[in-house]
Amino acid sequence: AQSVTQLGSHVSVSEGALVLLRCNYSSSVPPYLFWYVQYPNQGLQLLLKYTTGATLVKGINGFEAEFKKSETSFHLTKPSAHMSDAAEYFCAVTTHEGGGNKLTFGTGTQLKVEL
Amino acid sequence: DTAVSQTPKYLVTQMGNDKSIKCEQNLGHDTMYWYKQDSKKFLKIMFSYNNKELIINETVPNRFSPKSPDKAHLNLHINSLELGDSAVYFCASSQDLGTTIYFGPGTRLTVL
Repeated sequence: AQSVTQLGSHVSVSEGALVLLRCNYSSSVPPYLFWYVQYPNQGLQLLLKYTTGATLVKGINGFEAEFKKSETSFHLTKPSAHMSDAAEYFCAVTTHEGGGNKLTFGTGTQLKVEL
Repeated sequence: DTAVSQTPKYLVTQMGNDKSIKCEQNLGHDTMYWYKQDSKKFLKIMFSYNNKELIINETVPNRFSPKSPDKAHLNLHINSLELGDSAVYFCASSQDLGTTIYFGPGTRLTVL
């Protein structure tokens, strides 16, 4: 079975500061990993994903994440936070296990950006 | 040019009623999904269809019945609505395993 743990349900940063949102996964087979962002009263938008290949993945809006197999982590970072980054962020994992594309989500991290 | 669309966006109804949510994707994807987001924003898969065939059914009460008339549509019908069914329901689609899952804007269901 696969699972995702997001450390910190709420993260607050100052505008211009580094954003670090933590995600650890559990999977017995190679995972596919995703970060999605959800703005208030909206659907989910893909920020970035890791499937195979380069472990440092760049996404939209200046976000990036690094897949670290030894640490079973896929933390999301952005060098400089902007007010518009305030949203809910979800880490998710899927694998080939059991057939089908079953995306398992973490519990989400609410990012607050302060002036 | 909406990729995944759902109707209605908001649905308010009484306990015991039956309601449906419609979903359409114009991405040409083979796989469609229903996800439920509860009041704590936790997202969980309910169903997955591939080319109109049910492939994932995550211990959802049988009051929930998905129907896929063709691979571009996946509707969700809910019988005998209960208070606990209040949530945001997201339709989604993808082409293959490991590829991006595209989500619709969600339907906020409130059961009174």
